[in-house]
Amino acid sequence: QKEVEQDPGPLSVPEGAIVSLNCTYSNSAFQYFMWYRQYSRKGPELLMYTYSSGNKEDGRFTAQVDKSSKYISLFIRDSQPSDSATYLCAMSERSGGGADGLTFGKGTHLIIQP
Amino acid sequence: EAQVTQNPRYLITVTGKKLTVTCSQNMNHEYMSWYRQDPGLGLRQIYYSMNVEVTDKGDVPEGYKVSRKEKRNFPLILESPSPNQTSLYFCASKARDRRLYEQYFGPGTRLTVT
Repeated sequence: QKEVEQDPGPLSVPEGAIVSLNCTYSNSAFQYFMWYRQYSRKGPELLMYTYSSGNKEDGRFTAQVDKSSKYISLFIRDSQPSDSATYLCAMSERSGGGADGLTFGKGTHLIIQP
Repeated sequence: EAQVTQNPRYLITVTGKKLTVTCSQNMNHEYMSWYRQDPGLGLRQIYYSMNVEVTDKGDVPEGYKVSRKEKRNFPLILESPSPNQTSLYFCASKARDRRLYEQYFGPGTRLTVT
């Protein structure tokens, strides 16, 4: 079953706070885990991806995958008003194209208050 | 500038009136796909194309048609639109040797069917 759960928010935090965004999933075959950022009236853009379990850091962003708990997280440090967007998690069993496409979460609307 | 373009960006139409949403990319990508995004449901794939003249169904293909006669274009056709096709539509593309999550998304087409 392809199901990904993500709290839609909105999540409102003050500038400079640490933000934690999360998704849970049920399909144990998922191997690739992604976070996309979507600004209003724009298409999603890839923010980070992780293969299998573990952490990955890129500047202020850290992606974390716990396959044993079927739980992924995105942490944003020193949050900025420009981080205000909808964040979509996505997962897939394989990295290639074809029938095994991406399964997306519903997205979390994040608001960083100046 | 590398980009995926969609036209129109906004469309209001009536039930049963055939319409086409165009998608074009200037990156010489082999893979193109269409998604719809609905509140509470997230992004879902409608159709995808691995290359010219090669198309296949995604998760929610009912009521849609596509064609891929040229590498750069991948139009989405709604032959008899219904109100349940009111949604935000995204086209995406990637190079054949890139991973699925490395798709470039277009800016979206907001369709309302009354």
